[in-house]
This record gives sequence, C-alpha cells and structure tokens, in this order.
Amino acid sequence: DIQMTQSPSSLSASVGDRVTITCRASRSISFYLNWYQHKPGKAPKVLVYSASSLQSGVPSRFSGSGSGTDFTLTISSLQPEDFATYYCQQSFSTPFTFGPGTRVDIK
Amino acid sequence: QVHLVESGGGLVKTGGSLRLSCAASGFTFSDYYMSWIRQAPGKGLEWISYIDSSGNIIYYADSVRGRFTISRDNVNSSLSLQMNSLRAEDTALYYCAKYDILTGYYEYFDHWGQGTLVTVSS
Repeated sequence: DIQMTQSPSSLSASVGDRVTITCRASRSISFYLNWYQHKPGKAPKVLVYSASSLQSGVPSRFSGSGSGTDFTLTISSLQPEDFATYYCQQSFSTPFTFGPGTRVDIK
Repeated sequence: QVHLVESGGGLVKTGGSLRLSCAASGFTFSDYYMSWIRQAPGKGLEWISYIDSSGNIIYYADSVRGRFTISRDNVNSSLSLQMNSLRAEDTALYYCAKYDILTGYYEYFDHWGQGTLVTVSS
C-alpha cells in the first residue's frame, strides 16, 4: 500500500497569510494526487486534482504542485472561510489512501 | 446539481449487520464509478470500497474485505454498502462519493454526501 504523509499536522495562521502544506507519498504516484478541504459537519470538497488542476469553482488562491512523491498545496492569501482540515489523497493505485490531514486554525 | 444522500446508519451491536444506501441525483449515475469512504471519530479519511459504472469492477480496503459488500442499482440511481460482522473499529461517519475518472488524466472524488453515522457497540 502507498503511505501518505502530510506536514505540518496543524498550523495557526492569520487572514492574508500564505500557507503551504506538504504531502509525501511512500513511492512514486506520478501526478495522481488530489487535495480536499473538510469542515466539521460538511461534506469534504475537492480543491485540486491531478496534483495541479484546480477544480471548477474553487478560488484561484488555491494551487497545487508536485509530481512523483512530493506535492504541495498553497493558499496564497488565507481567507476566513479557509479554516478547515486539508487532506491529500493518492489515486495511483488501490487501496486509495489519504494523508492524515493538516488542520488550519485561526491565529 | 449533483446530490448524494446517505441513509441507513445507526447503532448496532458488535457482530451485527447494517445496510447503508446512497441516493444519487443530478448526474447520469450509470456513467460513473462510486465509492464509500469513512471517518472514524477524531480520525482522518479512509477509503473502503469502489465500484465501476456497470458494477463489474469492485475493490475493497483490507480492513473491510470479506465483511462489506458494495453494490449499485443503476435503474434507481442508488449505491449500497452491506456491512456484516461489524466491529467497534467500524464506528465512523460513512460517506458516499462520486468518483470521476478520465484514464491517464485524472481520478478523484468530485462530489461527496454529508455522511451517515454508524456506531458499533457491545
């Protein structure tokens, strides 16, 4: 199975900050890496798919990059509605696996 | 607008069974893979199963293989998860998700339901 790790596990940031979350796969997954945002009591929402493609309707302050084993999600200017937990997920092979999540809190 | 609504969750005793359902609307259900994903209390997301558009290709996570069965009804646009031999560690919020695939380009869960809670207790 492909193991996914994320760093940091949590962070505190202010509105307007630039935030970067890192995800690493235990072996190469090419570009098959997706990012999701999850707020308590809500359905998870895809932000970026295939490492760098922005899902329709997602604000352009979100961006993704990387390939192989190392990936990043960047929020260029954090907004109040962005406080949530972020998960990466590999779709290279089953079992599909998620990272442990990065919780983004208000500073 | 894609809409996924899970139902069937509840409290069940260890070793018992439960059947979850997911009603889909807003897209051509029979054209898409579907999946179940769960989140245990205080934990992250865990993919547990997917089924292709025709129901012929099915995969399970090791944690549920042999105990859970995924199925779909393309006439009624519904997805099901039959859960047998339930364990305390199966306690979780279970999400139904639409899985969008374009081979060689992308594979991801593009829409999720709100989830249904399963609690397994002795």
